[in-house]
Amino acid sequence: KAGVTQTPRYLIKTRGQQVTLSCSPISGHRSVSWYQQTPGQGLQFLFEYFSETQRNKGNFPGRFSGRQFSNSRSEMNVSTLELGDSALYLCASSARTSPGELFFGEGSRLTVL
Amino acid sequence: AQTVTQSQPEMSVQEAETVTLSCTYDTSESNYYLFWYKQPPSRQMILVIRQEAYKQQNATENRFSVNFQKAAKSFSLKISDSQLGDTAMYFCAFMEKGAQKLVFGQGTRLTINP
Repeated sequence: KAGVTQTPRYLIKTRGQQVTLSCSPISGHRSVSWYQQTPGQGLQFLFEYFSETQRNKGNFPGRFSGRQFSNSRSEMNVSTLELGDSALYLCASSARTSPGELFFGEGSRLTVL
Repeated sequence: AQTVTQSQPEMSVQEAETVTLSCTYDTSESNYYLFWYKQPPSRQMILVIRQEAYKQQNATENRFSVNFQKAAKSFSLKISDSQLGDTAMYFCAFMEKGAQKLVFGQGTRLTINP
């Protein structure tokens, strides 16, 4: 069974630009969560999607958004990038039958210059 | 809001030794789950062990075990017979039942030396 796939793995943007990150969950998993990982703030929850609906949202500004498609693939978008958005963005999928058992991707490392 | 605190930023032990990583948390909830996740260098984060708050028995997974003290809101991870492959960042995490949202601690960088 293929794992969680995130694309792109690395990207560099400049302030003010926008970025879209993609996540393909494990086959059969309908829940997709996104986390931001930085050295200063650690791992912070962004949002969770289940069956194309946002079920939970973290404490991030409206510049951070996401969506989930009917095949459970998810995208997150960050608009008007700031230097502080530089981070590793992790996607995790879950079957939701085992609470908290998340399967993480390798992440998308975003650098904002 | 729930918080998770890991007071040991870094730890280092020799191979085959036993090591204990500490974690405390704060919550007013009574139904929740606690987890230890492992993030090896440049590799995906994986679940090590899970504890359900209503279960008094401490969870174990092979060489990994926890000491769950609900009243003290403490959740430590013990790694027995440590191996080089245990070198990683270890994150303690909390999840309110039904929330599907993990709250992570800051992590402990564990190095196993040969």
